[in-house]
Amino acid sequence: DTGVSQNPRHKITKRGQNVTFRCDPISEHNRLYWYRQTLGQGPEFLTYFQNEAQLEKSRLLSDRFSAERPKGSFSTLEIQRTEQGDSAMYLCASSLADWTGVRSPLHFGNGTRLTVT
Amino acid sequence: AQKITQTQPGMFVQEKEAVTLDCTYDTSDPSYGLFWYKQPSSGEMIFLIYQGSYDQQNATEGRYSLNFQKARKSANLVISASQLGDSAMYFCAMREGKDSSYKLIFGSGTRLLVRP
Repeated sequence: DTGVSQNPRHKITKRGQNVTFRCDPISEHNRLYWYRQTLGQGPEFLTYFQNEAQLEKSRLLSDRFSAERPKGSFSTLEIQRTEQGDSAMYLCASSLADWTGVRSPLHFGNGTRLTVT
Repeated sequence: AQKITQTQPGMFVQEKEAVTLDCTYDTSDPSYGLFWYKQPSSGEMIFLIYQGSYDQQNATEGRYSLNFQKARKSANLVISASQLGDSAMYFCAMREGKDSSYKLIFGSGTRLLVRP
């Protein structure tokens, strides 16, 4: 169990540029989540994948955001035409869909901190 | 409406003493799970403890215990014998059984500072 890996750890970009983040979940985990966390707040849900299918998107996920999980393995989160309000920590988490249902915790990566200047 | 409420933005505790971090929740789903996570300054979210809505006993994991009062819809985290390394943000989260995505909904957190 190598844990959830996220790259890069930090990203500084200029307003209007596109950025892409990568998440590698725990290998046997079929559920993958993206969250956004701003300073002093709890993580807010963005989107959810089961295997390669994106099954839920939050209203927070504007048209400038897109996420993919090809082949049900790693996932990418792209933000187009970044705005200063996009500055936040982007967290990826994974879990295993099994009989434990509601009991299964999410395992988080260390996050990617985005700063839009 | 807020599903998870943590009313203590910040807390202090003396090293070796116990501390209680408050969490209240709101759901109409009879099946749900409550989680506590720790987030040190390094940023990773560390899972601490879980309580299920049908669990008869309060959850315990080492120095962490959960004071689950179902009728009051509260799930307070108790940390016994605080250590300096316990200084961190603590988040309460809930998962509703009816939610097919099994996502967690988080509160705004409590920052705990352990004094030597």
